Amino acid sequence: GQNIDQPTEMTATEGAIVQINCTYQTSGFNGLFWYQQHAGEAPTFLSYNVLDGLEEKGRFSSFLSRSKGYSYLLLKELQMKDSASYLCAALDSNYQLIWGAGTKLIIKP
Amino acid sequence: IAGITQAPTSQILAAGRRMTLRCTQDMRHNAMYWYRQDLGLGLRLIHYSNTAGTTGKGEVPDGYSVSRANTDDFPLTLASAVPSQTSVYFCASSVLAGDTGELFFGEGSRLTVL
Repeated sequence: GQNIDQPTEMTATEGAIVQINCTYQTSGFNGLFWYQQHAGEAPTFLSYNVLDGLEEKGRFSSFLSRSKGYSYLLLKELQMKDSASYLCAALDSNYQLIWGAGTKLIIKP
Repeated sequence: IAGITQAPTSQILAAGRRMTLRCTQDMRHNAMYWYRQDLGLGLRLIHYSNTAGTTGKGEVPDGYSVSRANTDDFPLTLASAVPSQTSVYFCASSVLAGDTGELFFGEGSRLTVL
């Protein structure tokens, strides 16, 4: 079956760095997405990776290893507004998105 | 403001009642989707539409129906609501079906079935 695994919850300190991991098992693979979702709001797009390596976008970076079925989202210089859930989703061979349950990130002052 | 509009924002519904969740987008996107989000689970696809006039079943279609009469509107209907359909429903769109572009989500409709 198809599956996405990510930690349920993580806690980090304002100003620090946090890495949110995601492992995936899909029938075929056409890329990996990360979305941010604040409580009570809609998910919003953060990143898309299809090739191995690290892609940096401001304070956020996303990494992909296709051979390991692994991705991570790296958040630097954490701010209180980064408190949110982070959703990992893989695009399978039929271009259907398989979603993880999300990682709730709690930022403490 | 460009984007996706969902209505109602929140609704409490008696079991057995019929309910339609509305979704309208003004971005001229070809593809539209309905997801439900439940605590501890990932977003689950209910139905989708690759282009106006076509619809398809997602992962959890039972008890739901959709129509896509035009590009902008994609309503989701619960013919006879049951308590297990209590959830937050998100409508989303993308420029093309089956591409690698981002999804744009509406603000969600919180539905409680008693």
